[in-house]
Amino acid sequence: QSALTQPASVSGSPGQSITISCTGTRSDVGNYNLVSWYQQNPGKAPKLIIFEVTKRPSGVSDRFSGTKSGYTASLTISGLQPEDEADYYCCSYAGGSTGVFGGGTKLTVL
Amino acid sequence: QVQLVQSGAEVKKPGASVMVSCKASGYSFTNYYMFWVRQAPGQGLEWVGVINPSGGIIMYAQKLEGRVTMTRDTSTSTVYMEVSSLTSEDSAVYYCARGDDTWGFDYWGQGTLVTVSS
Repeated sequence: QSALTQPASVSGSPGQSITISCTGTRSDVGNYNLVSWYQQNPGKAPKLIIFEVTKRPSGVSDRFSGTKSGYTASLTISGLQPEDEADYYCCSYAGGSTGVFGGGTKLTVL
Repeated sequence: QVQLVQSGAEVKKPGASVMVSCKASGYSFTNYYMFWVRQAPGQGLEWVGVINPSGGIIMYAQKLEGRVTMTRDTSTSTVYMEVSSLTSEDSAVYYCARGDDTWGFDYWGQGTLVTVSS
């Protein structure tokens, strides 16, 4: 199972919006609406911020939103804040009770 | 409150085995899957496998098939992951994470560092 494809890095200024893409195949992202996104700060465990493509867990800011089109899922962060600087990972169900993560994207808030 | 508490760091020699435990509390243990995810130093997250504590589903990443075994003890609400025939490529922080049919992993353990070194 190959990792989903994410850009290695993205950046934006406070207040701006950024989008991180996550591209898979017909076997994972393209076939299931079971894409989740995680935020990870250095030395910490990941934190769930989006599940089932578009849903936010309780307590997650509505500045985070998710979409999917074809084989590509996307995470958008609006109103960028300094505390959003972190690594972001997508994950998709890949059938047969297996999953696959993206390679991760480092977000820098300028 | 939901908590996943993992066992402590391990140092192992190549070829050895390691077992990491993950003790759950604050929720009904058998109502959620437990996933395992690992992260090599400076690298991204890698899906390792999943176990259904109520029985049934146990699935491993193809890359680790044959070397990883996941078990659970419902009497102590603990899941275990054993990795055998360790190589340096298995050096990583191993996380357990709770999930369900949404495949969103909503609670994570603190991570267990496994170092494989001669």
